[in-house]
Parts: sequence; C-alpha cells; structure tokens
Amino acid sequence: GQQVMQIPQYQHVQEGEDFTTYCNSSTTLSNIQWYKQRPGGHPVFLIQLVKSGEVKKQKRLTFQFGEAKKNSSLHITATQTTDVGTYFCAGDDSSYKLIFGSGTRLLVRP
Amino acid sequence: DSGVTQTPKHLITATGQRVTLRCSPRSGDLSVYWYQQSLDQGLQFLIQYYNGEERAKGNILERFSAQQFPDLHSELNLSSLELGDSALYFCASSGGPANYGYTFGSGTRLTVV
Repeated sequence: GQQVMQIPQYQHVQEGEDFTTYCNSSTTLSNIQWYKQRPGGHPVFLIQLVKSGEVKKQKRLTFQFGEAKKNSSLHITATQTTDVGTYFCAGDDSSYKLIFGSGTRLLVRP
Repeated sequence: DSGVTQTPKHLITATGQRVTLRCSPRSGDLSVYWYQQSLDQGLQFLIQYYNGEERAKGNILERFSAQQFPDLHSELNLSSLELGDSALYFCASSGGPANYGYTFGSGTRLTVV
C-alpha cells in the first residue's frame, strides 16, 4: 500500500536558524498536505499543494511539491520558538484516504 | 475550538473491555476520518465515512469498528482491549470527497491498564 516517508525524525535548531523537512511517497500523489501539531495538541492544517512543481509561501514557511508529485518539502526561514511542534506531510493518492508521514519534530533553542 | 468535537477527552479502562469514542464533525462536513496516534508515533489511518457510508479502510483491527449516523456524528468502537491499544484517537472531518484539509478534533486519550 501507499507509504509516506518523512525525514528527519527530529531537528533541534537555534532560534534564527533555518529548518527543512522532506517527504517522499511510494506512489504518485494527487495532492499533498502539511499539518502542524503542537506538543499536547492536535494536527492543524497548514496548506495543500496540487500541481507538479508547485511552490507556496506562508510568511516564513515555503512549501514545495516535486515535479513527479512524489515528494515535497517544507522550509522554515529564521525559526522562532513558536515554530516548535511536529510537522507532518500527508499524501492523497485519490483513494479517499490521507496517509500521513511519520512527522518531523522541531525543537527550537531560544 | 476546531469545530470537531470528540468525547470523552480521556478514558482509562481495563484489558478485555469495550469502549466507544464519539465524534461530531464540523458543521457542513460530510466526511469523517479516524486516526490512531501512539506515543511519539505518526498518525495511522483507521477508517473513513462519507455521508453515512464507509468509503475507505486502513489498517483497522477486526476488534475495532465504526459507523456514521444520519446526523453525521461518528462512533469508533474498540473491543477486547489490549495494552497496545493505548493511544490518542483523533477524529477529523472535511467538506466532502474533494478534500481540502482535514479539521481535527482534540482527540481521545485511551489508556488500557
């Protein structure tokens, strides 16, 4: 079945440093979504990418969808302590279910 | 408040028991999804319902079952509970088959002792 891998598992950065998490799917995706889960919280939807090669920005966050629609990345510029949490990618292969990656846990040292 | 309501928030029960988790989707959303999140783990897809019908199934154990009622709320039934079933169970909803982001509830933390 469909699998979504995400790396790294953990990332510990100094406040102000950049952060990137990468996501790879075993199958071609119709779209990919990104979620953030704060410690003790629930996943919160950030964005959806649909088109091959698509790039979207939300303030300091940049999301990319690969040309083959099998990989994606999330880049955070100049991290802040408010960015702490686990970032999940989730792939939709049009089978009515969203498969989540294992997540990247971001820790930010003030 | 995300608009998705899950009850109870916490549940402690013994092995071998049966529990029911309840979810009310965001107003207007027809799709309900159930996910299991074990400690420091990712989100494992269990099952999806759309407007009362089962639409997709993940790695849901035979001891687990779910349904969506005419008012669109959903229940996840877990039976013959084992220690390994201890986890956070999330319900999410979305606005129909053309998914554009799931809205998650705050989850039910199940502890099996």
